[in-house]
Amino acid sequence: DTAVSQTPKYLVTQMGNDKSIKCEQNLGHDTMYWYKQDSKKFLKIMFSYNNKELIINETVPNRFSPKSPDKAHLNLHINSLELGDSAVYFCASSQDGLAGLEQFFGPGTRLTVL
Amino acid sequence: AQSVTQLGSHVSVSEGALVLLRCNYSSSVPPYLFWYVQYPNQGLQLLLKYTTGATLVKGINGFEAEFKKSETSFHLTKPSAHMSDAAEYFCAVSRLPSNTGKLIFGQGTTLQVKP
Repeated sequence: DTAVSQTPKYLVTQMGNDKSIKCEQNLGHDTMYWYKQDSKKFLKIMFSYNNKELIINETVPNRFSPKSPDKAHLNLHINSLELGDSAVYFCASSQDGLAGLEQFFGPGTRLTVL
Repeated sequence: AQSVTQLGSHVSVSEGALVLLRCNYSSSVPPYLFWYVQYPNQGLQLLLKYTTGATLVKGINGFEAEFKKSETSFHLTKPSAHMSDAAEYFCAVSRLPSNTGKLIFGQGTTLQVKP
């Protein structure tokens, strides 16, 4: 059973398009995260939701909008895609939003913007 | 602000040799420290973590790390490398003053294991 799953695994699209990435966790966790890994493999947090409430919102362009319909799902919608958005996006979850807990990562979605 | 520095973006060892991956952190509050491993085309997996208590922590796959406050370090070691250890390794810190689960990652170290 996959703990944290993401769809799609690969996403190739043109500049200016709008796309979404879906994430689901079946661990019963309260907190979910989105991370971006750039071409140099540097990982940076983008957002975090705890029980459908936004708790971390880094300095991310407002073209990126997370949506959490329930605590098991955290989707990422990106408007007006730009070349610089090309990256691998990882979803993660943890039992709650406090520091010190293990985060469980999904397999990643590789987004390529042409 | 907290930060993490991993010395050496690429480390190469022979199979059976000692693995040492270096991590130094900067934090104004006692940190929580993590090592994650990323195998090719996969997500990250927790190897080990330090929150409080014993400063030498043991993780999965024979890895261990020691929290040294005086040196602000959390180096990862394994006595004998296996081919299967070849991967990307990330050190991370959390426990910002807000005490959220926000992880700040180092830039990663690619471990190559030669036969």
